[in-house]
Formats: sequence, C-alpha cells, structure tokens
Amino acid sequence: GQNIDQPTEMTATEGAIVQINCTYQTSGFNGLFWYQQHAGEAPTFLSYNVLDGLEEKGRFSSFLSRSKGYSYLLLKELQMKDSASYLCAVIDSNYQLIWGAGTKLIIKP
Amino acid sequence: DGGITQSPKYLFRKEGQNVTLSCEQNLNHDAMYWYRQDPGQGLRLIYYSQIVNDFQKGDIAEGYSVSREKKESFPLTVTSAQKNPTAFYLCASSMDTGTPSYEQYFGPGTRLTVT
Repeated sequence: GQNIDQPTEMTATEGAIVQINCTYQTSGFNGLFWYQQHAGEAPTFLSYNVLDGLEEKGRFSSFLSRSKGYSYLLLKELQMKDSASYLCAVIDSNYQLIWGAGTKLIIKP
Repeated sequence: DGGITQSPKYLFRKEGQNVTLSCEQNLNHDAMYWYRQDPGQGLRLIYYSQIVNDFQKGDIAEGYSVSREKKESFPLTVTSAQKNPTAFYLCASSMDTGTPSYEQYFGPGTRLTVT
C-alpha cells in the first residue's frame, strides 16, 4: 500500500528553528508538496520538490531525498502565526496526490 | 480576484437527507477535486474531474455524487447512503492533473454536520 508518515504534533519556541519530517512509500514518485493549513481553513501551497536537494523560500526550506523516500520542511525564525498543520503530499506514478495526515505545529512564546 | 469559493461554510442536516455542497472557481483551471478531511487523517479524495462532463471516482466515492456541467463549477452531493457524512469538505482545482508540478488551490471548505 501507499503510505506517508509525519509526526502528529511538534512544539517549538518563537524565534527558533523546527524541522518537520515526512517519509513516504508510494507506487512511483512524481514530486512532493508541502502545504500549510491553519485550523478550520484551507491548505495553502508552500513548496514543491521533484529533484533531490534543498529548495529555499524565505524562512521556509524544503529538502528531498528520493533514494531515502524522505523530505523535510525547515522553518526558521518561527513566528506565532506559523502555528498550523503542515501537510506532506506525494504525487504517485498515476499522478494522484497521496496525502499525509499532517503535523500540528505549536509555537510557544 | 481569482479563487475558489465554497458555500456554505457550515452546514447542518438531518440524517437521511441529501445535501449538495457548492464549489466554484474563476481560475480557468481544467481540473477540480473534492476531498474529505477527518481529524487525524490525511485528505482523502472523493471525486475529481479533468474536463467538463467527465469525472472519476477517488478513493472514497461511495455515498457521494458529482457533476461537471461547467468548467467553473463542481458541486458535490452527499447522499443518505454515505454512512459517516460529518466531516470537513474541501474543494480544490489545478491547471491539469497530468502535469505534476501544478499545485492545487483550495477553497475555504464546508464543515458538514449530520445528526
């Protein structure tokens, strides 16, 4: 079967750095997305990785290792507004998006 | 302003009633999707459509129906056959399902409660 694993919940301090991991086992791979979702709201796009390596976008960076079936989202200089769930999603060989359950990130002052 | 609208934000129904959730987009996207989100679970695909008058079942289509008569609109009907309809429903669109780099844009969601 297809599976995406993320930690259920993480806690970090305002101003710090946090890394949210995502491991996947899917039938094929055509890319990986990270989305942010605030409680009760729609997910919003953060990043897309299809090649190995690090993609940096402001305070957020996303890393991919296809050989390890692994990605992480790195959030720097954490702000209270970063408190949200972070969803990892993989595009499989049929171009279907397989979603992880999401990681709830709690930021403390 | 381009985007996706879903209405209503909150919807309450009695068990045994069908209910239709609306989804409209003005992004000129070809593909549209319906997802269901339950606490502690990833988004699960109900139906998707790549072109007008055509749609495919997702992973959990039982108890749901859709139509795609216009490019802009993709309404979802939750029928009385759906055993656990209470959930947060998200509609999304993208330029094309066949091109993996096109991210999906989501509507604000409809929270359906059936009692």
